[in-house]
Amino acid sequence: DIQLTQSPSTLSAAVGDRVTITCRASQSVGFWLAWFQQKPGKAPKLLIYKGSSLESGVPSRFSGSGSGSELILTISSLQPDDFATYYCQQYNSFPWTFGQGTKVEMK
Amino acid sequence: QITLKESGPTLVKPTQTLTLTCTFSGFSLTTNGLGVGWIRQPPEKALEWVALVYWDDDKRYSPSLRSRLTITKDASKNQVVLTMTNMGPVDTGTYHCVLLFRGVARHWGQGTLVSVSS
Repeated sequence: DIQLTQSPSTLSAAVGDRVTITCRASQSVGFWLAWFQQKPGKAPKLLIYKGSSLESGVPSRFSGSGSGSELILTISSLQPDDFATYYCQQYNSFPWTFGQGTKVEMK
Repeated sequence: QITLKESGPTLVKPTQTLTLTCTFSGFSLTTNGLGVGWIRQPPEKALEWVALVYWDDDKRYSPSLRSRLTITKDASKNQVVLTMTNMGPVDTGTYHCVLLFRGVARHWGQGTLVSVSS
């Protein structure tokens, strides 16, 4: 199985901050990686797929980059609605796997 | 508009079999490239892939759960059914049904919380 490790596990930030979350894979996933946002009590929401493709309707302040074993989610200017937990997920090979999550909390 | 809704018991006893149904609308599971899968999440923990079935009836299971799982589709009823045998307390969590397009979980059901307790 491909293991995904997200860093940091928790991130304290203020509105307007630039935020980056890294997802490291135990082996290359190419660019077959998605990022999801989850708020308490809600289903996850797709933000980015294929490493850097923005899902329709997702604000452009979200972006994905990287490929291979290190991929990054960037929020260019954190907004109040962005405080949530973020997960990466690889779909390069079965079994598909998720990272452990990164909680973005208010500083 | 695409919707997915999970249904099934909220409480099962240890060793019992869980049967969950995903009823969807807004797409057909006969469409090339589409799939429906299940993802679960224990309370306060990370997401975990469980199983999926594609339009062509290709099925994939989590290796750690494979011996306990069966996933079936009924495209005419717009339903996908997941059965998991020999349930235990570690299987407690929210089970989400998802629509897969080009391998990505683009649409999610709200999830159903399943508790395993005697």
